[in-house]
Amino acid sequence: EAGVAQSPRYKIIEKRQSVAFWCNPISGHATLYWYQQILGQGPKLLIQFQNNGVVDDSQLPKDRFSAERLKGVDSTLKIQPAKLEDSAVYLCASSLVAPTVQNTEAFFGQGTRLTVV
Amino acid sequence: AQTVTQSQPEMSVQEAETVTLSCTYDTSESDYYLFWYKQPPSRQMILVIRQEAYKQQNATENRFSVNFQKAAKSFSLKISDSQLGDAAMYFCAYSWSMNRDDKIIFGKGTRLHILP
Repeated sequence: EAGVAQSPRYKIIEKRQSVAFWCNPISGHATLYWYQQILGQGPKLLIQFQNNGVVDDSQLPKDRFSAERLKGVDSTLKIQPAKLEDSAVYLCASSLVAPTVQNTEAFFGQGTRLTVV
Repeated sequence: AQTVTQSQPEMSVQEAETVTLSCTYDTSESDYYLFWYKQPPSRQMILVIRQEAYKQQNATENRFSVNFQKAAKSFSLKISDSQLGDAAMYFCAYSWSMNRDDKIIFGKGTRLHILP
């Protein structure tokens, strides 16, 4: 089966510019996660979608970060304007969560490495 | 609050030897899952092994096994017969359900070096 697709793989922007990342989860996966992984740290959840609804965005810096998941499939994560501390790898993951199936494995994309200069 | 702690930022092991990576977690939940993910330089997170909290038997996957101590909230990963391809970052993860939504949190990771 095809995995989680993310693009671009790498992005370099200047501070105060805008950037967008795209994620295509595994077909049929209802749950989609965006994680921020700063060098030397574990992934930190930014936002979690269940279908096209947000279930957790408590750690998303909403003054500059936004995300959407139109039609409950693809998702985009946007940063506007970017700051130096946003330099990180942004990982997208998806999992199959149904009412009778819980705590299933999350499948990850290869991530987008963002460098803000 | 749920937390995951990996106290070993880096570890090294000789090829063909055995190494154990530590992980502790804190939770008030009774039903949850624990995972070990491997992240090679390609950055893709690959599931190594998973453990259901309600199962007493420790999970094993070929050369990978866990020592799950529920009372102590400890979940260590043992890699036997280490191979050069095992070199990577390893993340311990804890997952629980809240209102039918899966929550997953990660530790800070342990970088494993394999010495030839």
